Amino acid sequence: AAGVIQSPRHLIKEKRETATLKCYPIPRHDTVYWYQQGPGQDPQFLISFYEKMQSDKGSIPDRFSAQQFSDYHSELNMSSLELGDSALYFCASSFTDRVRTEAFFGQGTRLTVV
Amino acid sequence: DQQVKQNSPSLSVQEGRISILNCDYTNSMFDYFLWYKKYPAEGPTFLISISSIKDKNEDGRFTVFLNKSAKHLSLHIVPSQPGDSAVYFCAASDQTGANNLFFGTGTRLTVIP
Repeated sequence: AAGVIQSPRHLIKEKRETATLKCYPIPRHDTVYWYQQGPGQDPQFLISFYEKMQSDKGSIPDRFSAQQFSDYHSELNMSSLELGDSALYFCASSFTDRVRTEAFFGQGTRLTVV
Repeated sequence: DQQVKQNSPSLSVQEGRISILNCDYTNSMFDYFLWYKKYPAEGPTFLISISSIKDKNEDGRFTVFLNKSAKHLSLHIVPSQPGDSAVYFCAASDQTGANNLFFGTGTRLTVIP
């Protein structure tokens, strides 16, 4: 079965550079979530989109932005990267139809800022 | 402020015995709870969930119990198998409609053959 696909799997950037992470949700899923998991930390919710509109915002820095496109894929744009942005970034998707369903996660993008 | 807490960072259990993983939460608005299993270098994998209208949900070897008054839930794995060794995250979702998940810090389960 198709799963959530994230690209790239690994990314190395220098401080102050820009990075773009991509997420392709499971087909027919209408909600995308982004999470950041720092070393030794639990996943922290960043932002979510439902039907291409931002639905909720968590602890996402102002240097980050995200959007969901017409084909439901999402991109997380990160500018002015800092060393502390080094983390595993997970995307998850779910189908939301007034019934709670679980979110399915991608394998994550490991971002290393040097 | 951590709204979902897993106070045991690790747990070791003999194969065939019961594994009990615990999770506490503080937000009374949470009404949907999930357990995820995570292997190294992989994304979390959904394991089992429970709605706040229930106090128990069972799926094969996995059972989740919810005690709303205590704001506590637990995951029981019976019998435990070596393949169950992973990090288990408890997650909760509130009633605001956004469905974003709040995660605990995880418990690393090691099942000893």
